[in-house]
Parts: sequence; structure tokens; C-alpha cells
Amino acid sequence: GAGVSQSPSNKVTEKGKDVELRCDPISGHTALYWYRQRLGQGLEFLIYFQGNSAPDKSGLPSDRFSAERTGESVSTLTIQRTQQEDSAVYLCASSSPRKGRSSYEQYFGPGTRLTVT
Amino acid sequence: ELKVEQNPLFLSMQEGKNYTIYCNYSTTSDRLYWYRQDPGKSLESLFVLLSNGAVKQEGRLMASLDTKARLSTLHITAAVHDLSATYFCAVTSSSGTYKYIFGTGTRLKVLA
Repeated sequence: GAGVSQSPSNKVTEKGKDVELRCDPISGHTALYWYRQRLGQGLEFLIYFQGNSAPDKSGLPSDRFSAERTGESVSTLTIQRTQQEDSAVYLCASSSPRKGRSSYEQYFGPGTRLTVT
Repeated sequence: ELKVEQNPLFLSMQEGKNYTIYCNYSTTSDRLYWYRQDPGKSLESLFVLLSNGAVKQEGRLMASLDTKARLSTLHITAAVHDLSATYFCAVTSSSGTYKYIFGTGTRLKVLA
């Protein structure tokens, strides 16, 4: 079956512009996560969505960052007025606690590499 | 606040040698995960450890979990070049949240 997909795979934008990153989770996965990974560093949690519950936005670094999710499908991460320090790979992952699997294993997309010039 | 630490951060080893990567976490957790990331690629799930004393093995990699010590290890046996990658551990809180906290990662380089 199809895995997690993300688009675009690469995005180069000028400082001050807004960007929108898209994530398509695995069908039926109720949980969706966004992470940021700067070059050579670990994963920084940004936000997660679980079903119809209020999202956990505790990892968003500033009010320039926001994310939306339509039901249990596509999610978009929006960064307004981009800064050079926003340059990173943005990874999306989904998991399926409701499918009877106790492991809550995450499946990652290929990521979007964002470069702010 | 749940924190996860890995060591070492960097590891260079010869082919054929054994080594262990350590993952410590700060508060009670009910699940621990190990992931592999190749350069320029996304994360690939290696192991999921669900209970104290759990041990899982895949090829030359073996992961174990000690929930009392809040410690997981990833042991590499007779390393080969193909194992060169960055390895991350991650935990979820036992409070029922789905939030994952990742370790800093261990960058492994196996020298031929």
C-alpha cells in the first residue's frame, strides 16, 4: 500500500515569503505528526493531530508556524514570513493507534527540504 | 518534561567490531522505538520495545529495554559498512499522549 507522501520534495523560497507544505498520511491512520530536522541534527517535534481531538501545538517555534488537518486525511504546515533559520527538512509521520496495534509505530514520509535564501 | 539522551553522538568503528549505543530517558515511558536514517533519506523503523526486558534482534542489530533503569541499548555485532547511518531512539510518555520525543541521534560510520 501507499506510504506517507509529502510535497513538494524541495522548496526554495525568499526570506519573508510564505510557504505551505503538504502531507498525505497512510489511509486510515488517525495520528499525524510534523517534525523539523535541521542539518546534522535530530528531530524537533512541531505538532501532532489525533482524530478529532485538539492538536498538540506545543512544539511550534513561533506564531509564524501553523498547521491544519482535514479530518483524518491531508495536513498542511504553513510557515509565514519565512526566515533563514527556518531552513530545514520538514518530516511528516502517521500512525494508527486504533487499528489494534499496540505499538503505535510511526511511518515517516520522505520529507520536504526547505531552503530560505 | 520527557527528555531523551543518546550516546555516543558520533561513532566510528572498524568492520567486524562490536559496539553499543545507549538511550536514556528521563521519565516513565511505555514504549521505546529505534529508527535508522540514511543520509538525505527519511526515517526507517527498526524496533519497537513495549515492556521491561524486551529484546529484539534483526540481523546484526539487537535492541533491549530496561524500564527500571530507563535505558535502552542498541547493540551492533560484527559491524559492516552497510550499517553506516544515523540511529535515533524515541519514546512516548506513559500518560497516554501520542507525543514522541526523539533522542539526539548517533551517527555511525563503519570503516572498511
